[in-house]
Amino acid sequence: GESVGLHLPTLSVQEGDNSIINCAYSNSASDYFIWYKQESGKGPQFIIDIRSNMDKRQGQRVTVLLNKTVKHLSLQIAATQPGDSAVYFCAERRDTGRRALTFGSGTRLQVQP
Amino acid sequence: DSGVTQTPKHLITATGQRVTLRCSPRSGDLSVYWYQQSLDQGLQFLIQYYNGEERAKGNILERFSAQQFPDLHSELNLSSLELGDSALYFCASSVDSYNEQFFGPGTRLTVL
Repeated sequence: GESVGLHLPTLSVQEGDNSIINCAYSNSASDYFIWYKQESGKGPQFIIDIRSNMDKRQGQRVTVLLNKTVKHLSLQIAATQPGDSAVYFCAERRDTGRRALTFGSGTRLQVQP
Repeated sequence: DSGVTQTPKHLITATGQRVTLRCSPRSGDLSVYWYQQSLDQGLQFLIQYYNGEERAKGNILERFSAQQFPDLHSELNLSSLELGDSALYFCASSVDSYNEQFFGPGTRLTVL
């Protein structure tokens, strides 16, 4: 169940460095944004979310920033660890109408020891 | 472990055949979503069910259908399979349409 083979942009960082993964979304009416992590052989795993009335939200070692003006979402991972190596997807959703997630194309994060 | 289960894990079949993928949501979740992940399309929403009823449709082909049963498990039926249907198929569940979706481990379908 891995996403290996997807033609994804890759971000390579050194262990201990901070990582920033970016995502441009398309729907200015989206109300809710989520970052998912997908490890090889597994399904997407929820990392952090943010609603459209916020511009920043922090979790454990992760921060999501939302810039609605330019429709840009970023995920910052502090002190990146080898276990953070995975494909990261942003997703967006509206609170009305169809509430299914629309996923971005993903970024592969490689953490070098 | 998200609590969402999917069977089978792998499925290999031939063009023209029909297969059924099964999903059991997390305990208490009423909503089930199906997604397709292929090499060139990323994760695409197919269809959503809520408490047994179809709630939303995405990019689901007419050859594909789904249903959610009274015990809330769901099945995705893929028929007249083509080579291009080879992909990972994920099921996700949530309490309702507003909450976080939890994804299962996926079924890898290979059409030869």
